[in-house]
This record gives sequence, structure tokens and C-alpha cells, in this order.
Amino acid sequence: NAGVTQTPKFQVLKTGQSMTLQCAQDMNHEYMSWYRQDPGMGLRLIHYSVGAGITDQGEVPNGYNVSRSTTEDFPLRLLSAAPSQTSVYFCASSYHSVNEKLFFGSGTQLSVL
Amino acid sequence: DAKTTQPNSMESNEEEPVHLPCNHSTISGTDYIHWYRQLPSQGPEYVIHGLTSNVNNRMASLAIAEDRKSSTLILHRATLRDAAVYYCIRDDSGGSNYKLTFGKGTLLTVNP
Repeated sequence: NAGVTQTPKFQVLKTGQSMTLQCAQDMNHEYMSWYRQDPGMGLRLIHYSVGAGITDQGEVPNGYNVSRSTTEDFPLRLLSAAPSQTSVYFCASSYHSVNEKLFFGSGTQLSVL
Repeated sequence: DAKTTQPNSMESNEEEPVHLPCNHSTISGTDYIHWYRQLPSQGPEYVIHGLTSNVNNRMASLAIAEDRKSSTLILHRATLRDAAVYYCIRDDSGGSNYKLTFGKGTLLTVNP
């Protein structure tokens, strides 16, 4: 098992560019989520999904889109990057959405200039 | 209001036990306490969780006070690899993972 795989590990964007952060898990987990972590801060939930075809907003969803067409993949899209989106992004998954431990990817460090 | 209160940082020596405190004075009877840790440049990693009684696993022990207003994560023998930020999380959502709130945590430094 590879666990939760995030790509790319590093990315630099210019303001206004778009990109997709990829997240894949091979554990047949129903629940997947995206967090961002800013320096000296905890993690803040962006979007989450409790199963294929189902997504919902977390604490800080503005500027981000998600979709869940398969159980394995949960991409995060930045449609028009802004410097405020400079952060480290983590994808997490768990077998169910309730009372299950979360497995995290190793993160994507994004800089928007 | 913060759901939990943790010290910003703690220091320990290698091979000694470490007790990481967490205050959750407004906890209710059905709230679980979760602990995760984040090693440098990595995503968070599950450590342990519990409801009322003390819990043990291969990584750590969780001691929950009788009134449940505080808990302590115990690393029985710290290693350099245990240097990380430790997050204490109070789950007041009935177990919904999307309700878990990661605060700033406690930065644990382990001295050789």
C-alpha cells in the first residue's frame, strides 16, 4: 500500500494561474479531505468528501474546487491562484467519516507569487 | 473559545518519559479526545484516541482525568524521532472526521 499520495510536492504559481493538486489513496477509503497549513498555524479544512460523487465545504473553501469521481482520487483545483493561497496543502483519508483515524499525505508546498 | 489548551512547547531528554498535557474543561460526556503528531515536513500522523478510560497502543498511552477535563499523552521513552508537534483534539461532533479541529499543538523537542 502506498497510502495517501500527493503530487506535486512543490509548486510555484503566478497570480491568476490555475492548477490542480492531486491526491490519491489506495486503501479503499470512503472519506477524503483537504487541509491547508499556514506557518505557525494548525490545519484548516478546505473541502471534504464522504464518498464518490459527494463533496462538501469545510472551514475555508473559497477559491478552491473539488470533485470526487472515483473512490481513489480527490483533486483540489485552484481556479485563479492568489498570494493568500500560499500554503502547505495536506490530503487526508479514512475508511469512514466517523470515528476513524485519518491518514495524511506528505503535503504539497505551494507558493503563489 | 478554543476547544483544547496545550502548552506551546515542551522539552524532553532522549529515553526519558514525556507527559504532554491537554486541557479540555468544557468537554461533554460523548466527546472523544484524539491525539495526532506532525513530524517536520510531514503530514500529521494518528497517535491515539479515547473517551473515558486510559488507552494504550504501541506508540503511546492516553491518560484521561476522572472528570475528563484534562488528559495527558504519555510517551514512555522518548526518542529523537518523537520530536514533533503534538495536537490534542476534542471531538464534539459525535465522531465526524470533518469536524476535527487541529489547533497549534505542542512542539516537543527531544534532546540527545
